[in-house]
Amino acid sequence: GQNIDQPTEMTATEGAIVQINCTYQTSGFNGLFWYQQHAGEAPTFLSYNVLDGLEEKGRFSSFLSRSKGYSYLLLKELQMKDSASYLCAVRDVNTGFQKLVFGTGTRLLVSP
Amino acid sequence: GAGVSQSPSNKVTEKGKDVELRCDPISGHTALYWYRQSLGQGLEFLIYFQGNSAPDKSGLPSDRFSAERTGGSVSTLTIQRTQQEDSAVYLCASSNSPQRVHNSPLHFGNGTRLTVT
Repeated sequence: GQNIDQPTEMTATEGAIVQINCTYQTSGFNGLFWYQQHAGEAPTFLSYNVLDGLEEKGRFSSFLSRSKGYSYLLLKELQMKDSASYLCAVRDVNTGFQKLVFGTGTRLLVSP
Repeated sequence: GAGVSQSPSNKVTEKGKDVELRCDPISGHTALYWYRQSLGQGLEFLIYFQGNSAPDKSGLPSDRFSAERTGGSVSTLTIQRTQQEDSAVYLCASSNSPQRVHNSPLHFGNGTRLTVT
């Protein structure tokens, strides 16, 4: 099966840059997703990587290295509203192509 | 509708009772998923539907849990003889078929918060 690791909690200051790491172990990697989840709300899709490299989308970027089993989510110009949990999820063709397996998430607290 | 709709939003039930949770996916989405999220835990996969069939039900914790989907649309997750450890937020998600659109993200509903007393 998969083993997905993320830091439990991170803190950062408004206006700063923060990098949230995710490492995974899969036998048949076929895509990695990042989701944002505010407390008491549904997870919302942020980004998708299947090839190595950086995907940029406004203030958020996501990076993937398949050989290292590693991804990160980069958040720039942090705003208070970015305080949320960030979930890394992996799709694996060998354990059920259709489903996403999620990490436990990283709770980000942005302070003034 | 515009998004995935789940009902009820909150459910409190006594241990031993049966509960039914409903999910109305985004119109046109053929794939439907149930996950649950316990306090401080990640999302735990329960079951996946493609159309009305469930090719992957590997995450259902016990035979007290079952789910069905009718008309390729609405799905119901049923928990029989509820136990306190069933308390969690049950999230439903839908997407385009991942076999056809491999980068299709899951769109989640707001979940049903189940409390078993």
